[in-house]
Amino acid sequence: QLQLMESGGGVVQPGRSLRLSCAASDFTFSKYAMHWVRQAPDKGLEWVALISYDGVNTFYADSVKGRFTISRDNSKNTLYLQMNSLRGEDTAVYYCATDGVRNFEFWGQGTLVSASS
Amino acid sequence: SYVLTQPPSVSVAPGQTATMTCGGSNIGSKRVHWYQQKPGQAPLLVVYDDSDRPSGIPERFSASHSGNTATLTISRVEAGDEADYYCQVWDSSSDHYVFGTGTKVTVL
Repeated sequence: QLQLMESGGGVVQPGRSLRLSCAASDFTFSKYAMHWVRQAPDKGLEWVALISYDGVNTFYADSVKGRFTISRDNSKNTLYLQMNSLRGEDTAVYYCATDGVRNFEFWGQGTLVSASS
Repeated sequence: SYVLTQPPSVSVAPGQTATMTCGGSNIGSKRVHWYQQKPGQAPLLVVYDDSDRPSGIPERFSASHSGNTATLTISRVEAGDEADYYCQVWDSSSDHYVFGTGTKVTVL
């Protein structure tokens, strides 16, 4: 059974940085493009970023472009999200998800990031 | 940017049919996907590519779209179907993935 497990969330002051990880298991991670999706408290879903299966191509939502960086290490079956210059509006549960064909096929359970002073 | 609009809530009695819409400009020309999210859980893909169901999703879940509206239908609603439902498309003009605003389905 495919598994995705996010980690690295926590409380951070606005303006600081945080790196999230998503450990993949029980599937061929290197064959899948991967996403980060977030959900602010009591709000809807928002796509954050996408990385191609080989890490060559990346795409970002306008709200995070220039501040967040998605990357992956296929040798470690791990996806990352480096978040810099965090703002209060970045407070959310962050999910990693596999790419189906332009959809989000399998999801992790999420990790909570709170940007607050 | 592309916008998808869903009604905030839908209420339905057990055994009845729940229908929820997802409005977007010319959404009929896009592939639409639907997700179910129960409280405290990650979203679950229930319909992909307009009307296909992933393995394990009951036939009670069906979907269609044309023009400016996509529709998710849940037949013979059960208490376990109570959740938030989101539609989603890929916007080719911006290369962005877009979610609808979400509909909360309440089983009476």
